[in-house]
Amino acid sequence: AQRVTQPEKLLSVFKGAPVELKCNYSYSGSPELFWYVQYSRQRLQLLLRHISRESIKGFTADLNKGETSFHLKKPFAQEEDSAMYYCASTSGGSYIPTFGRGTSLIVHP
Amino acid sequence: GAVVSQHPSWVICKSGTSVKIECRSLDFQATTMFWYRQFPKQSLMLMATSNEGSKATYEQGVEKDKFLINHASLTLSTLTVTSAHPEDSSFYICSARDRGGPLEQYFGPGTRLTVT
Repeated sequence: AQRVTQPEKLLSVFKGAPVELKCNYSYSGSPELFWYVQYSRQRLQLLLRHISRESIKGFTADLNKGETSFHLKKPFAQEEDSAMYYCASTSGGSYIPTFGRGTSLIVHP
Repeated sequence: GAVVSQHPSWVICKSGTSVKIECRSLDFQATTMFWYRQFPKQSLMLMATSNEGSKATYEQGVEKDKFLINHASLTLSTLTVTSAHPEDSSFYICSARDRGGPLEQYFGPGTRLTVT
């Protein structure tokens, strides 16, 4: 079974510091990878997906097939980035997503 | 953008009763909807995958007779928690995939169930 690993349950940084939320996946083929974000008292929403190779709210994520990673990065964290971040993957022909356990990002003023 | 609604947003019921939660895709057709359970400060636990017009596929450990899922149309899926017990108290979230769209999911706002 496919696995998505987010090793950090909690990440705490100060405003303006760089942020990297780690995500590793187990599927060896060509998965679809996503980052979802859940702000306090809001629904989960898509932040970005690897196929679009875009930057959303200053966040980027690069797929590294050699390391089977899809880490989420932002050079300068803002207080409004504080939220739960979930990495998700769909593998091969399966459209059923696998979610990581989530990383809570707290950005202090 | 695609919107998914859930109703009710919160419900309190007595132990032994049944509760139905609705999940609707408002502006797109969803052949596939997913039901999740989220515990406080924990990740999403996929309960089942619901396909329009067919039986739901339940994840291991999820009792299908307790959590009844019906996906009668391309815009509506329902989750019924039967004979609810206090341990069923949780946050239930549905999501949907746009039939003609990419693999991303659109999430509902969730339903808080409290069983007393």
